[in-house]
Amino acid sequence: NAGVTQTPKFQVLKTGQSMTLQCAQDMNHNSMYWYRQDPGMGLRLIYYSASEGTTDKGEVPNGYNVSRLNKREFSLRLESAAPSQTSVYFCASSDRRRVDGYTFGSGTRLTVV
Amino acid sequence: DAKTTQPPSMDCAEGRAANLPCNHSTISGNEYVYWYRQIHSQGPQYIIHGLKNNETNEMASLIITEDRKSSTLILPHATLRDTAVYYCIVSWAGTASKLTFGTGTRLQVTL
Repeated sequence: NAGVTQTPKFQVLKTGQSMTLQCAQDMNHNSMYWYRQDPGMGLRLIYYSASEGTTDKGEVPNGYNVSRLNKREFSLRLESAAPSQTSVYFCASSDRRRVDGYTFGSGTRLTVV
Repeated sequence: DAKTTQPPSMDCAEGRAANLPCNHSTISGNEYVYWYRQIHSQGPQYIIHGLKNNETNEMASLIITEDRKSSTLILPHATLRDTAVYYCIVSWAGTASKLTFGTGTRLQVTL
């Protein structure tokens, strides 16, 4: 049981480049989330998908787009990376009733130079 | 979602109980109290949650005051592996709900 899998684990981008962070869960969860965590800070919600076919903005959505490809997969895209997007990105999923809380992936460490 | 207040850091001796407080004075009737922890730079890990009754699982106990304005997470026998940042979060439980993380309490367990 892999839980939540994020790829890649590390990435270095040049300013202006684009990339997509991938996230997949195998727990049949309905809801999925993307967070970012800057050094010494708590996690901030970027986007979330309450159920397949829906996406909504979180606290810090500017500069990002998301796609809920199917029930398992939720991707995060940076169209034109900026140094301010240097961060650790975490994907999470939860069931409809969130009985067991969120399950988080191990994160993607992104550096934009 | 209601805001929470936690001390920035705490120390605990290994083998002793770690009691982590959280204030959430503006909590509403349908909001739950959730606790997560983050070990080093790993993804946060769910610990426990409750509405108004005290809860216990294999990891910890959650004590919520009768007025629900504060709670305490108890790790009964802390080990070095419990050294982490602990987040107390108040949120309603539902399909469209989402968790808002603060800066948490950094718990250092020492020998």
